[in-house]
Amino acid sequence: DAKTTQPPSMDCAEGRAANLPCNHSTISGNEYVYWYRQIHSQGPQYIIHGLKNNETNEMASLIITEDRRSSTLILPHATLRDTAVYYCMYGGSQGNLIFGKGTKLSVKP
Amino acid sequence: SAVISQKPSRDICQRGTSLTIQCQVDSQVTMMFWYRQQPGQSLTLIATANQGSEATYESGFVIDKFPISRPNLTFSTLTVSNMSPEDSSIYLCSVNRIMNTEAFFGQGTRLTVV
Repeated sequence: DAKTTQPPSMDCAEGRAANLPCNHSTISGNEYVYWYRQIHSQGPQYIIHGLKNNETNEMASLIITEDRRSSTLILPHATLRDTAVYYCMYGGSQGNLIFGKGTKLSVKP
Repeated sequence: SAVISQKPSRDICQRGTSLTIQCQVDSQVTMMFWYRQQPGQSLTLIATANQGSEATYESGFVIDKFPISRPNLTFSTLTVSNMSPEDSSIYLCSVNRIMNTEAFFGQGTRLTVV
């Protein structure tokens, strides 16, 4: 079973920041947190990952709480093309990922 | 990054038949995986394709139903055997080069069993 908890859906206005939460209370100290997204009918796309520190790349920022029990993915300026299902997961150090149900993000004009 | 090519991209098959899906990567990778995504559902890991040895299957998946080959570090196949309509899904190949880094996915094979 999936080990993370995410809200099933969220809405965001175009141009605003989208903040997607994830709970991963059973994460171990050496397991990374990964975020992927899946745009309709396409293969999942990697977004970002992190261990302890906050991370930022060209797509998003990842904020991990100090106790590592939860994290937030931030899309700073959401566009319509960011409409997708966003998956948070941890572990899978060799690439074997356990997907949960994810959050369906709808970016609206 | 890694460029992954899956073939076929989609197929419609008769029940009772088998389909072999191919996954080709543009460079050598250590880890290759196969996933299934049933309609409206999330992805489920089927197995790890091990080069030179038998695949490692997740709970609920067996070799007789989903035989996997991995003849080298750039290629793998997944066969869906004795298909039934319940096997209608998207099947995806994924690869990972280095531990604790991103995995890359193919675009998937959309299978419909009639």
